[in-house]
Amino acid sequence: ETGVTQSPTHLIKTRGQQVTLRCSSQSGHNTVSWYQQALGQGPQFIFQYYREEENGRGNFPPRFSGLQFPNYSSELNVNALELDDSALYLCASSLGQYNSPLHFGNGTRLTVT
Amino acid sequence: RKEVEQDPGPFNVPEGATVAFNCTYSNSASQSFFWYRQDCRKEPKLLMSVYSSGNEDGRFTAQLNRASQYISLLIRDSKLSDSATYLCVPLDTGRRALTFGSGTRLQVQP
Repeated sequence: ETGVTQSPTHLIKTRGQQVTLRCSSQSGHNTVSWYQQALGQGPQFIFQYYREEENGRGNFPPRFSGLQFPNYSSELNVNALELDDSALYLCASSLGQYNSPLHFGNGTRLTVT
Repeated sequence: RKEVEQDPGPFNVPEGATVAFNCTYSNSASQSFFWYRQDCRKEPKLLMSVYSSGNEDGRFTAQLNRASQYISLLIRDSKLSDSATYLCVPLDTGRRALTFGSGTRLQVQP
């Protein structure tokens, strides 16, 4: 069974730039969720994708966007990066949309300078 | 009031000790929950799923107190390898997103 994989593991960007983070879901999982985790905080929900459609979104501005592909892999795009976007970005896959245990990838640590 | 509140700790305990953390939640409809464990600079990993009033898995016992709206995690015979941050996640059947607490940090000392 292949787990959730994310790339890249680390990234340094400059304020105002754009970034794309990638995620391959665990085999058999059709739902992908993205979370942002700032230092000392729990993961905060960004959005969820199911069948290539965004079907749930947290309190994040539109410059955070995503995609899900037919093979259930996903991308998170962030435009016009701000210093506060520096965080660990976690992708998680699950078997269902509601209350299913999330299986996290090892995350992408983004630093915005 | 935050949806999920946890004492950030750290809880510093000696090896072999028993330690318990509580997590309070605001949504009275929550009837199930997860506990996740997160090692420093790593991703959260599912520790326990609880779909009733409690669950036990080896040294770990989780309980839900619906009347007082808190979730507890008890760890017996603590090991050095138990050192981590423990995140509680009460489940809301009406929402797709899981709401994580900020976590409680446990440091088990030799």
